[in-house]
Amino acid sequence: EDQVTQSPEALRLQEGESSSLNCSYTVSGLRGLFWYRQDPGKGPEFLFTLYSAGEEKEKERLKATLTKKESFLHITAPKPEDSATYLCAVQESKGNKLVFGAGTILRVKS
Amino acid sequence: GAGVSQSPRYKVAKRGQDVALRCDPISGHVSLFWYQQALGQGPEFLTYFQNEAQLDKSGLPSDRFFAERPEGSVSTLKIQRTQQEDSAVYLCASSLAVPAYEQYFGPGTRLTVT
Repeated sequence: EDQVTQSPEALRLQEGESSSLNCSYTVSGLRGLFWYRQDPGKGPEFLFTLYSAGEEKEKERLKATLTKKESFLHITAPKPEDSATYLCAVQESKGNKLVFGAGTILRVKS
Repeated sequence: GAGVSQSPRYKVAKRGQDVALRCDPISGHVSLFWYQQALGQGPEFLTYFQNEAQLDKSGLPSDRFFAERPEGSVSTLKIQRTQQEDSAVYLCASSLAVPAYEQYFGPGTRLTVT
C-alpha cells in the first residue's frame, strides 16, 4: 500500500530563516511526486511535479528535490505570505489517484 | 481562466438527510476526482472519472456514497442518510489528460452533519 509521511508536522520560522520540509514515501512504481500548498478554507494549489530521482524544480523561494525514497521542499528566505500547509502526494505508475501525506503547517513570522 | 468550482461551499445536514455536492471542472478536462479531507489531514481519494466513465470508486467509504458525471463534465457526489462521521471537506479536482498528472483542485464543500 502506498504511504506518504511528512515531517515536521509544524514548523515556525522567522522571516528570512531558510529551512526544509521532508516527504518520505513508499510506492509500487512512482509515476510522479506532487507538492501542493493549501491555505485555510481553500483547496490545494499545485506547486510542482517531480518524476524521477535527481530531478529538481524551483519557483520563487521554493525548490523541490526528489530521491528514490523522499522529497524535500526547500524554502529560502521565507516571507510571512509563505505561511500555509504544504502537502506532498504520490501517484503510482498504474493509477491516477493521488495519495497524500498529512501535511506540514508552516508559519513564518515577521 | 476559470478554475474548478464547487457548490455549495458550506452545507449543514441533519443526521439521516441526503446531500448532493456539485463540481464544475475546468473546461475540457478529461479526468475528474473526488477527495475527502478530514480536519488536520491530507485529502483522501474517493473516486475517479475519465470523461463520463467512473473507472475507480475504491475509496468510497460505504454504499451511501454515490458519484456521477453523466455528460463528462459536471459531477455530483451524493451522500445518502448522512452520518456524523461524514463531516469533512469534500474536494473536487480535474486534470487535462490521462494519465492525470497535475490535478487542479476546487475550493471544497465543507459538510457538517449534526
